Amino acid sequence: DTGVSQDPRHKITKRGQNVTFRCDPISEHNRLYWYRQTLGQGPEFLTYFQNEAQLEKSRLLSDRFSAERPKGSFSTLEIQRTEQGDSAMYLCASSLMAGVNEQFFGPGTRLTVL
Amino acid sequence: DQQVKQNSPSLSVQEGRISILNCDYTNSMFDYFLWYKKYPAEGPTFLISISSIKDKNEDGRFTVFLNKSAKHLSLHIVPSQPGDSAVYFCAASDEGSSNTGKLIFGQGTTLQVKP
Repeated sequence: DTGVSQDPRHKITKRGQNVTFRCDPISEHNRLYWYRQTLGQGPEFLTYFQNEAQLEKSRLLSDRFSAERPKGSFSTLEIQRTEQGDSAMYLCASSLMAGVNEQFFGPGTRLTVL
Repeated sequence: DQQVKQNSPSLSVQEGRISILNCDYTNSMFDYFLWYKKYPAEGPTFLISISSIKDKNEDGRFTVFLNKSAKHLSLHIVPSQPGDSAVYFCAASDEGSSNTGKLIFGQGTTLQVKP
């Protein structure tokens, strides 16, 4: 399977704990995105990487959130001092650099903060 | 500010009939539009897209229509099948100005196709 993969699929944590999610994009895709989806809403953009460079961050991405994409391959999204409001589905997507093209999404990581 | 809106939370159609899902947008800089389908516990799956230089794109049973003057697009599914039952998201990007390709999504419409 050469699609986008995410790990873990589910994460339950207590408020105040740190969590880290991983995304492995389609191998030849230069662009990588993180989105967050809450119940009844569409995915909301969080951040964008072009290769290893983080080129855009949404104002939704508070200073408790950090994302990396070392070597332009997999990416990690870390949330420090989690809050109940962080409970959501975190989606990763990737696409090719050239031109305008569709993004391919992973299955997501569902985070529940107790 | 909801730049992409799907005003119908749900739609129910009979198998074999046409399903029409609607989407409105406010940002005239959007130049690329996509439809995604999402099943529970899965990520969104790309369905069909259209560039702002076109007004129609067709792929099998799926056709997307774009009306730039009305800032409106629609997805037609003909004939509808029970396997089409899912949540459908409309999304838009302003690739020409932002050069990031980030997508702005609507709230989604839940389609139920009854056998």
